[in-house]
Amino acid sequence: DTEVTQTPKHLVMGMTNKKSLKCEQHMGHRAMYWYKQKAKKPPELMFVYSYEKLSINESVPSRFSPECPNSSLLNLHLHALQPEDSALYLCASSQDILRDRENEQFFGPGTRLTVL
Amino acid sequence: KQEVTQIPAALSVPEGENLVLNCSFTDSAIYNLQWFRQDPGKGLTSLLLIQSSQREQTSGRLNASLDKSSGRSTLYIAASQPGDSATYLCAVRGDNYGQNFVFGPGTRLSVLP
Repeated sequence: DTEVTQTPKHLVMGMTNKKSLKCEQHMGHRAMYWYKQKAKKPPELMFVYSYEKLSINESVPSRFSPECPNSSLLNLHLHALQPEDSALYLCASSQDILRDRENEQFFGPGTRLTVL
Repeated sequence: KQEVTQIPAALSVPEGENLVLNCSFTDSAIYNLQWFRQDPGKGLTSLLLIQSSQREQTSGRLNASLDKSSGRSTLYIAASQPGDSATYLCAVRGDNYGQNFVFGPGTRLSVLP
C-alpha cells in the first residue's frame, strides 16, 4: 500500500474560522510533510515531521499550526487565514529523512482550500 | 540556495513520439532527484527516484538520467500516449541533513491523438 490519504478534498472557510486538514499513511513511514501549491506553481515546503517531531518549519505564519499525533497521522490546524492562503495543500510521506534511506516521497491527493 | 529549472515550460507532441524533458539544478551537492507527474488539480504521482550515486533509472516507457556534476537530469518518454498528458515536475533533495525537496516549475506536456 503506497497510499497517502487526505481529508477533506475541498474546504471553504471564512477568515475567522478554525479548521483542520488531515493526512494519513500506513506505509510505516517516519517522515511526513506539508506542502502548499498555488495554481500553476510547484509545491512549496511548509513543514517536515521526523519521528513525530517537527524537524523543519519553512518560516510559515503562525496561523498554520501543524501537529503529528502519531507516526501515521499529520494534521494542519488553520486559524484566521487570509484569502491569499487559498491553495492546494499537499501532504507527503517518506521512509525517513536520514541520509541512508531512499527518501522517495509519496503524495496525497491534496485538499483544495478556499478562504473567503 | 538550490534553484531548479525545467525546459521546456510546455510541450505539445503527436501521439507516438519519443520526447525528452529537462531539469537543471544549481547546486550539485544533491542526495537524490525525483520525477513526478501531476494531473490538473490532483496530487503528485512519483515516477522515478534517482540516487546521487546512480546514472539512470527505468520504469516501463520512462527513463530518467542524472549527471550530477553538470547539474542536469532528463526524463525520456518513449512512444508517448494521450494519457501521458500532465505536468511533469522534478524535485531535488540536498545533500545535508534536513535539506528537503526543491521543486522545479514543471513542464506541461500535451500528447495529441
